[in-house]
Amino acid sequence: KQEVTQIPAALSVPEGENLVLNCSFTDSAIYNLQWFRQDPGKGLTSLLLIQSSQREQTSGRLNASLDKSSGRSTLYIAASQPGDSATYLCAVRGSGNTGKLIFGQGTTLQVKP
Amino acid sequence: DAGVIQSPRHEVTEMGQEVTLRCKPISGHDYLFWYRQTMMRGLELLIYFNNNVPIDDSGMPEDRFSAKMPNASFSTLKIQPSEPRDSAVYFCASSLGTGAYYEQYFGPGTRLTVT
Repeated sequence: KQEVTQIPAALSVPEGENLVLNCSFTDSAIYNLQWFRQDPGKGLTSLLLIQSSQREQTSGRLNASLDKSSGRSTLYIAASQPGDSATYLCAVRGSGNTGKLIFGQGTTLQVKP
Repeated sequence: DAGVIQSPRHEVTEMGQEVTLRCKPISGHDYLFWYRQTMMRGLELLIYFNNNVPIDDSGMPEDRFSAKMPNASFSTLKIQPSEPRDSAVYFCASSLGTGAYYEQYFGPGTRLTVT
C-alpha cells in the first residue's frame, strides 16, 4: 500500500531564504508526482507535475525533483517571500492507470518578513 | 475557464439530515474526483468517474455516502443520514485524463459541519 510522508510538518524561515520541502513515498511504481499549494480555507493549486520518466520540473522560483528509486521528491523554493506562506502537499499517482492520488499530510510553511 | 466549481462553499446541518454537495468540472475534462480532507486523515479519494461512469468507489466510507454524475458537467455527493464524523472539507477535482502528464485541478471545496 502506497504511503506518502512529508517532513517537516511545519517550517518557519525568514524572507529571502532558499528552502527545500521533502516528500517520500513507499512504492516506487508511480505514474507521476504532483506538488500542490493550499492556502488557509482554500482549495488546492497545482504547482508542478513530474512524470515518472522525468527527474525535475521548474516553474519560476520553484523546482521539483524526483528520484523514483529512492522514493523521494523535493520542492525547492528560491528566495522565499511572505506570499509563499501556505501548506504544501505532495501527491503520487500509482501505476496501473488509476486516477487516484495519494497525498502526504503536508508541510506548513511560514515566511517571515 | 472558470475552473472547478463547487457549491455550497459552507454547509452546516444537524445530525440525521441529508446533505448534497455539488460540483461542475472544467469543461472537456473526462475525469471527476471527489476527495475529503480532515485533520486526522488528510486528503483521501472517495470516488472518481470517467465519462460519467463511476470507476473506483473504494474510498466511499459507507452506504450513507453516494455519488452520481448524470452528465459531463455535473456531479453530486450525497450523505444520508449525516453524522458529526462526516464534518470535513469535501473537494471536487477534474482532469483531462489519467496519463502520466495529466494534472488534477481542484475546486475551492465545501466545508461541511454536522452538529
